[in-house]
Amino acid sequence: EDQVTQSPEALRLQEGESSSLNCSYTVSGLRGLFWYRQDPGKGPEFLFTLYSAGEEKEKERLKATLTKKESFLHITAPKPEDSATYLCAVQARGSTLGRLYFGRGTQLTVWP
Amino acid sequence: NAGVTQTPKFQVLKTGQSMTLQCAQDMNHEYMSWYRQDPGMGLRLIHYSVGAGITDQGEVPNGYNVSRSTTEDFPLRLLSAAPSQTSVYFCASSSGTSGGAEISYEQYFGPGTRLTVT
Repeated sequence: EDQVTQSPEALRLQEGESSSLNCSYTVSGLRGLFWYRQDPGKGPEFLFTLYSAGEEKEKERLKATLTKKESFLHITAPKPEDSATYLCAVQARGSTLGRLYFGRGTQLTVWP
Repeated sequence: NAGVTQTPKFQVLKTGQSMTLQCAQDMNHEYMSWYRQDPGMGLRLIHYSVGAGITDQGEVPNGYNVSRSTTEDFPLRLLSAAPSQTSVYFCASSSGTSGGAEISYEQYFGPGTRLTVT
């Protein structure tokens, strides 16, 4: 039973076409939700941490938001260099601190 | 800081061989983890450690051993390699406490080891 589900699995956008990626989670009690970016052949690179519903974080063209059951990664006016796989992970209250559950990722392609 | 380093970058093994994947971090992080990443499966936790001398199993521990004798190093041992262990392996580390409060900190990942077992 997946605790973290990401959608869509793949997304193709034209440069400048804004969109959102979804991460829904079923853990009972969220300690933290994390977004990562992964380029081909490399390790995941940390983007954001969200701790409580209503929280938002921004970085360049990316904005992450959190509700009680899901998180969105909004991409505004994307550029081809934003092409990557975006991973969502959660840490649950009651689990060992440091243990993360990952979703399968959304592969984003931005074409010129 | 070098961050999280992993060696080797690539490795080919024959079925039944053993080997150790190395992982080191220079950030004085308490928590270290090993993941494997397979197409369509996402990142799956193999083993993790909450400090020197303390390790525990993750979701897919069979066929792997770990130990943590120092804060910096967290090697992953494949006891008898099988084709099902063909994967990309990532090591990660994170801090865990701030002034005694349990805060969930982000994990920093190494560049990965691509392992093929024939």
